[in-house]
Amino acid sequence: GAVVSQHPSRVICKSGTSVKIECRSLDFQATTMFWYRQFPKKSLMLMATSNEGSKATYEQGVEKDKFLINHASLTLSTLTVTSAHPEDSSFYICSATPGLTYNEQFFGPGTRLTVL
Amino acid sequence: DAKTTQPNSMESNEEEPVHLPCNHSTISGTDYIHWYRQLPSQGPEYVIHGLTSNVNNRMASLAIAEDRKSSTLILHRATLRDAAVYYCILRDTGNQFYFGTGTSLTVIP
Repeated sequence: GAVVSQHPSRVICKSGTSVKIECRSLDFQATTMFWYRQFPKKSLMLMATSNEGSKATYEQGVEKDKFLINHASLTLSTLTVTSAHPEDSSFYICSATPGLTYNEQFFGPGTRLTVL
Repeated sequence: DAKTTQPNSMESNEEEPVHLPCNHSTISGTDYIHWYRQLPSQGPEYVIHGLTSNVNNRMASLAIAEDRKSSTLILHRATLRDAAVYYCILRDTGNQFYFGTGTSLTVIP
């Protein structure tokens, strides 16, 4: 199956700093990418939908100025957590799909963010 | 957003079949039913999906009720590697996935 990578896999940062997480589709072009967050022992929560070359669509309750999403190419989307605080500590997962008519989403391995 | 309801946890003996149920009473005519599973600290992995007819692949089978308000994921012979959280998800025309709470499957050796 198609492969999606995330970098870094783990990151620890100080409160107030910004952290960038990359999501790459390695062997296909992803017209749409999705970002999720997951708290311990909880389910995945969709944060935003990102289409290449356009602004991301954020789910209700997700601060777009806090979680900056850029989908500048068909193989790369980035999530930047700005001015991170301890409550932003979470497991961030991206997924990608070749197009809206495609049935599967291919998920990355996730990024564990810890804010001290 | 369409929602799914699953039991929080289930157990199965190794090498026996497992039937994981999912209710989705608010499903619309264009929603696909997807199943993914997730191991600890990993991203979800695709298992199977369907629209109306039952589906089989190398990993599992998906049985969809005639009214589409419920479905069952069938693992024919559970192995220890099948221990995971299984999510039943409805995919709408926007291709968004809204995850439910999932079922944590324990496989007993």
